[in-house]
Amino acid sequence: QVQLVQSETEVKKPGASVQVSCKASGYTFTTYYIHWVRQAPGQGLEWVGIMNPLGGSTDYAQKFKGRVTMTRDTSTSTAYMELRSLSSDDTAVYYCARERSVGASPSGLVDLWGRGTLVTVS
Amino acid sequence: QNVVTQEPSLTVSPGGTVTLTCASGAGPVTSGYWPNWFQQKPGQAPRALIYSTSKKHSWTPARFSGSLLGGKAALTLSGAQPEDEAVYYCLLYFGGSYVFGTGTEVTVL
Repeated sequence: QVQLVQSETEVKKPGASVQVSCKASGYTFTTYYIHWVRQAPGQGLEWVGIMNPLGGSTDYAQKFKGRVTMTRDTSTSTAYMELRSLSSDDTAVYYCARERSVGASPSGLVDLWGRGTLVTVS
Repeated sequence: QNVVTQEPSLTVSPGGTVTLTCASGAGPVTSGYWPNWFQQKPGQAPRALIYSTSKKHSWTPARFSGSLLGGKAALTLSGAQPEDEAVYYCLLYFGGSYVFGTGTEVTVL
């Protein structure tokens, strides 16, 4: 069925990097953008960035520029988010979500979310 | 840095109606901001309810509707059910970047 399956829980030391994966199935990977969103414990949702799997273009929230990289492997329909120079403030559940593409642009239709990956920095 | 503001909490009686709003610090919200609304229950991933201001997904209960109201995006719940207790987030598009609202906790009581 149509789903986004995320990688398992990660525990990292301060200063380290983490890579979270999001494997798409049940649809054509390159026809939907992938958002990355995080949620710190007890807090709201925070947008991290977006990637177009078709060409690999990305846009990142200003807060994360220089510290985050979003990539993809179209052969396995998997999106990746790497976050570097981790601190305790990065402890959060990281979600991927998809947004339908229209041509080479997003469409405003965000529908499917992954279950989230807990990243603990300690 | 764009700021998107929602009511922190609202209470609605079972069967009642409540409207949540989503305001942008950059000015009036229009359809060009592609407002999306999501519902999140404790321990779960968010679930999409509304996209492009007022369009429903196939799974969205009919009691939820989206609109623009007084320069804000709005989500109206008509005929609230106990299972509608959740936190609701809006998402706005700012031309390349996106910002989530601060979230509204809805209590059905």
